[in-house]
Amino acid sequence: GDSVTQMEGPVTLSEEAFLTINCTYTATGYPSLFWYVQYPGEGLQLLLKATKADDKGSNKGFEATYRKETTSFHLEKGSVQVSDSAVYFCATTGNQFYFGTGTSLTVIP
Amino acid sequence: NAGVMQNPRHLVRRRGQEARLRCSPMKGHSHVYWYRQLPEEGLKFMVYLQKENIIDESGMPKERFSAEFPKEGPSILRIQQVVRGDSAAYFCASSPSDMNTEAFFGQGTRLTVV
Repeated sequence: GDSVTQMEGPVTLSEEAFLTINCTYTATGYPSLFWYVQYPGEGLQLLLKATKADDKGSNKGFEATYRKETTSFHLEKGSVQVSDSAVYFCATTGNQFYFGTGTSLTVIP
Repeated sequence: NAGVMQNPRHLVRRRGQEARLRCSPMKGHSHVYWYRQLPEEGLKFMVYLQKENIIDESGMPKERFSAEFPKEGPSILRIQQVVRGDSAAYFCASSPSDMNTEAFFGQGTRLTVV
C-alpha cells in the first residue's frame, strides 16, 4: 500500500550547517508530496509541496525535488538556523494522507 | 478564513470516563482526518471522514473509539472508558475535495488520562 519512509532522527546540527532529511515514498498513481514542520506544542504546518515529477517545492530556504525515478522527496537547506529546530514530516497522498514517522532536528548555536 | 479549530486544547479525564474531541474544518473543506501522536513518536493515522461518511477507519482501535462528521457541525472523535494508554495528542486535519491538495492541521487536543 501507499507509505512514506523518512530518515530516522534525531538530527543535531550546528548553526549554518547543511541539512538533508531523506524521504522515499510508495504510492500508486501520481501522488502529491509534502513536507510538514511541527514546532514544540503546536500542530503541523505545511512547509512545502510538489504535485508532479521534477517539481521543486521551496519555502524559507528549504527545498525538495519530486524524483519519480528514485521515488524520493529529500528535504534540504543550505544553512540551518536555531529557529529551524522542530520535527519534520514527509507526507504523500493516496486514499488518505500518509505521513512518515518524523525527524527531529535540533540546531545548536 | 479561520483555520482548523480543535477544542478543547487540553482535556483531562479520569480512567473510565468519556473523552469527546471536536474538530471544525476550514470553511469549504469536506475531508477530515484524525491522527494520534504519542510523546516522542510520529503521527498515527486513525480515521478519514467525509460529510456523513467514514471513508477509512483502518487506524481506529476496534473498541471504545468512534468518529463522526455530521452534515452540520464539527467532526467528533469519541473515546469511551478512557485508559491511561489513551493519553496523547490528537490532531485533526482537513482538506478540500481534491485529494492532491495539502491538509491543514489544527493545534491538537492533548488528552491526559489520570
